[in-house]
Amino acid sequence: DIQMTQSPSSLSASVGDRVTITCRASQSITNYLNWYQQKPGKAPKLLIYAASSLQSGVPSRFSGSGSGTDFTLTISSLQPEDFATYYCQQSYSTPQTFGQGTKVEIK
Amino acid sequence: QVQLVQSGAEVKKPGASVKVSCKASGYTFTGYYMHWVRQAPGQGLEWMGWVNPKSGGANYAQKFQGRVTMTRDTSISTAYMELRRLRSDDTAVYYCARFSSGSPTPYFDYWGQGTLVTVSS
Repeated sequence: DIQMTQSPSSLSASVGDRVTITCRASQSITNYLNWYQQKPGKAPKLLIYAASSLQSGVPSRFSGSGSGTDFTLTISSLQPEDFATYYCQQSYSTPQTFGQGTKVEIK
Repeated sequence: QVQLVQSGAEVKKPGASVKVSCKASGYTFTGYYMHWVRQAPGQGLEWMGWVNPKSGGANYAQKFQGRVTMTRDTSISTAYMELRRLRSDDTAVYYCARFSSGSPTPYFDYWGQGTLVTVSS
């Protein structure tokens, strides 16, 4: 199985901050990397697919980059509605695997 | 619009079985695999497997082999996940998620609202 490791596990930030979350795969997954946002009590929501493609309707302050084993999710200017937990997920091979999550909290 | 609506919360005793449903609407049900993902309280997301609504074929995570069955009823556009021999550590929210396998890479584009399954004696 491909292991996905996110860092940090949590972070505190202020509205307007630039936030970066990283995700590392245990082997190359080319660009088969997706990012999801989850708010408490809600289902995950797709933000980024294919490492850097923005899902329709997702604000442009979200961006993704990377290929191979190292990936990044960036929020250019954190908004109040962005406080949530973020997960990366590889769709390169079965079983699909997720990172452990990064919780973004208000400073 | 695409919607996945899951059945309601369940409370089960250890050793029992649970069957969660996921009714799809707004798209061609047989055109997309349906996956199941669970999330234990305060924990991350764990992939369980998928069902192919067109053929009925299924594939399960090794961890759940022998305990889970994923099926579908195309006449009512509904997918099901049955988990048997429940244990306390099966307490979790169970999600169905539509798998979009289009270009360039696949992803889960729509999710059900989740079904809380509580296993307690």
